[in-house]
Amino acid sequence: QQPVQSPQAVILREGEDAVINCSSSKALYSVHWYRQKHGEAPVFLMILLKGGEQKGHEKISASFNEKKQQSSLYLTASQLSYSGTYFCGTTVGNEKLTFGTGTRLTIIP
Amino acid sequence: DAGVTQSPTHLIKTRGQQVTLRCSPKSGHDTVSWYQQALGQGPQFIFQYYEEEERQRGNFPDRFSGHQFPNYSSELNVNALLLGDSALYLCASSLDGSYEQYFGPGTRLTVT
Repeated sequence: QQPVQSPQAVILREGEDAVINCSSSKALYSVHWYRQKHGEAPVFLMILLKGGEQKGHEKISASFNEKKQQSSLYLTASQLSYSGTYFCGTTVGNEKLTFGTGTRLTIIP
Repeated sequence: DAGVTQSPTHLIKTRGQQVTLRCSPKSGHDTVSWYQQALGQGPQFIFQYYEEEERQRGNFPDRFSGHQFPNYSSELNVNALLLGDSALYLCASSLDGSYEQYFGPGTRLTVT
């Protein structure tokens, strides 16, 4: 079952904050976040394992609510370089990584 | 340290033909996964190779097959190409037991 991401697209001004959500109908073991710029390969951002762990580096962080099977990616004080499509990928146990449909983030000056 | 490399970059084939895509994993990685990414969609898992064996497989027909070599590089073969096979094919490598996958730049396949 493909995870559902929201919003599908968002436009922000440089310096604004954004939250991208990822929901699944299955009990998740892990959530992975990737960013893909147009014409490029997805780049790994972070992974969260079940347990409600929160991770982050610099101004990008994420949380994982195991009970709700949801993860959120937080982008603080967005920069132009944050533009791209963000994908969450989820695993159930040791099963394959299943990606969501993506959230297109556009940062304008 | 070389990252994941894929070849060719672009490929144009005709319906019914066969194609082989190649992937070299990041140095030190032993596991290779292949994904198909249609325009505007997230990557879809095709299969994963570890120790030269297919370890996991997604919902793709048998026309999609693969191979992993002793040096951990991998090939993706697609037979009897259909128009719907047109997509970006991504290879991702990882170290067995690690959850981090590193993607290559992809091969853009166009079937006419």
